[in-house]
Amino acid sequence: DTEVTQTPKHLVMGMTNKKSLKCEQHMGHRAMYWYKQKAKKPPELMFVYSYEKLSINESVPSRFSPECPNSSLLNLHLHALQPEDSALYLCASSQDKARLLNTEAFFGQGTRLTVV
Amino acid sequence: AQTVTQSQPEMSVQEAETVTLSCTYDTSESDYYLFWYKQPPSRQMILVIRQEAYKQQNATENRFSVNFQKAAKSFSLKISDSQLGDAAMYFCAYRGSYNFNKFYFGSGTKLNVKP
Repeated sequence: DTEVTQTPKHLVMGMTNKKSLKCEQHMGHRAMYWYKQKAKKPPELMFVYSYEKLSINESVPSRFSPECPNSSLLNLHLHALQPEDSALYLCASSQDKARLLNTEAFFGQGTRLTVV
Repeated sequence: AQTVTQSQPEMSVQEAETVTLSCTYDTSESDYYLFWYKQPPSRQMILVIRQEAYKQQNATENRFSVNFQKAAKSFSLKISDSQLGDAAMYFCAYRGSYNFNKFYFGSGTKLNVKP
């Protein structure tokens, strides 16, 4: 199984709503990532979890709250978002060992988020 | 910090022809890996090919090959016998040993394939 599964595929939410994005992988990867991607732009790193601990937060606003309940799951909780937060949100996973640098990041299909 | 540059925002190729996408990077590290990812309209980022910095031999995967010039810090992707399904955004990415949980992406090249 070399898949990263993200749900939902599409999400429309109001600025006062609370919603969550979910990500799951069963490749035994211990590094998991959230990226935000605008159209025709590269993915922008938001958060990295390493061994279920938050290791990188790229100064993301607190209205985005990540959670890693176990080594296979990654959530992104959303609250009080703004229209400019509308984007494709990608989850990824990879090996988390410096000596295994040859392993790539595996990406999910993303959640297309629209904030209205 | 590492930077990855793709200087071609958009390129076009005729079906069955060959096209080369450019990527340059800047790093002071000696141990790192380079990747080319493809992102079709279906949105999922798919690995096309990877190159280890310590290997002099250029990586190849079927119709895809790279020209890795370590001294010049250049990592171009050659697609031979282009197919309609190759149309996508292509991103070059870097992963180093110092901050190994960060992948640095270039700005991307949109490849159009003409029938």
